[in-house]
Amino acid sequence: EPEVTQTPSHQVTQMGQEVILRCVPISNHLYFYWYRQILGQKVEFLVSFYNNEISEKSEIFDDQFSVERPDGSNFTLKIRSTKLEDSAMYFCASSTLGVLSYEQYFGPGTRLTVT
Amino acid sequence: GNSVTQMEGPVTLSEEAFLTINCTYTATGYPSLFWYVQYPGEGLQLLLKATKADDKGSNKGFEATYRKETTSFHLEKGSVQVSDSAVYFCALQTGGSEKLVFGKGTKLTVNP
Repeated sequence: EPEVTQTPSHQVTQMGQEVILRCVPISNHLYFYWYRQILGQKVEFLVSFYNNEISEKSEIFDDQFSVERPDGSNFTLKIRSTKLEDSAMYFCASSTLGVLSYEQYFGPGTRLTVT
Repeated sequence: GNSVTQMEGPVTLSEEAFLTINCTYTATGYPSLFWYVQYPGEGLQLLLKATKADDKGSNKGFEATYRKETTSFHLEKGSVQVSDSAVYFCALQTGGSEKLVFGKGTKLTVNP
């Protein structure tokens, strides 16, 4: 069964460093998402991406964050200068369509630890 | 804004016990409602969904009914198994938006 994959599973970085989290969505999906979950808190939407541009983003997704689909298979989240409060589990998801309750398929997550 | 509140965990049950995980929501308009499950080491998987009032979503013995009058979508299962041990997330999506709004998640442990 097709699945969303994410690498690495755990990333440790120092405050101020740039990190890139990688995701391979399901191959025939058109919408891509990033969510995050700070320990003990809710899973929060960050951004959705369609047709090579951001289609929706949350207040959390400020200038420190960017997303890219550099080739036909990868979808990346870059954090330019990490802060301690960026420590969280980051989930990538993909779906065939964006709205109308189409299922979003999630990857296993990347745990980001900022020290 | 839109939000989801679900019961705090963790929940520990014995095998074959009845499960209820409460979920209530606040939303503008008429959201679609979801339950996602996360097994250890895996991503969130859609368990069931309901897109309008009084709809019942069901899958793998789990059920939830969309109750507009009480703004609730409680998850139930009549007889849990050890393999149901996971974290369960209630979520909503409103029309015109792609994002899912999640609750905090409830960890369920089922003991043999």
